Amino acid sequence: AQKITQTQPGMFVQEKEAVTLDCTYDTSDQSYGLFWYKQPSSGEMIFLIYQGSYDEQNATEGRYSLNFQKARKSANLVISASQLGDSAMYFCAMREGRRFGNEKLTFGTGTRLTIIP
Amino acid sequence: DVKVTQSSRYLVKRTGEKVFLECVQDMDHENMFWYRQDPGLGLRLIYFSYDVKMKEKGDIPEGYSVSREKKERFSLILESASTNQTSMYLCASSLYQDTGTEAFFGQGTRLTVV
Repeated sequence: AQKITQTQPGMFVQEKEAVTLDCTYDTSDQSYGLFWYKQPSSGEMIFLIYQGSYDEQNATEGRYSLNFQKARKSANLVISASQLGDSAMYFCAMREGRRFGNEKLTFGTGTRLTIIP
Repeated sequence: DVKVTQSSRYLVKRTGEKVFLECVQDMDHENMFWYRQDPGLGLRLIYFSYDVKMKEKGDIPEGYSVSREKKERFSLILESASTNQTSMYLCASSLYQDTGTEAFFGQGTRLTVV
């Protein structure tokens, strides 16, 4: 079974609009972390934002926020006021509970976001 | 500045060759990971290591092995390269701390097996 599901292979959004990238996850652990990474065409992986399973507030980092709905097991990324430089591949990832030997980080299939001028 | 360095950006190897992909990190991280990235499939975990000489299989370990003799170095080995192992390979490292610690990635190695 997929641990991380990203159902939007591609999205086109007008510049300056807000965009939501969907991510659902599957885990039986109580303690886990959710991450979003950006991969521009140059290929590097850029960490954007993190949400812990015990965090009560939604994480925010500048124009990025994470809409965390624990009961629904979703962790959607919201980008406000999109810019041309936001065009990239976006990956959702999950790190499961802190048990020795279980520190793996699992990624989704990604969403390719294109910002239209 | 944190650094994860992969030994090659591009590699071309022949079918049946033994291939070594090297990854070095300078952040004293306990965890290291090898992923392959293919279009439409995202990043799939091949192997990870949480300590020297320790390793765990990821989701797609078949055809690969790893070595971690020193904390800073994690090698991915393709025992007998095949064309279906043509892919982008990404190495990452992170602290063994809590689930909030981000992973840092290398620049990737694009491997072509002919």
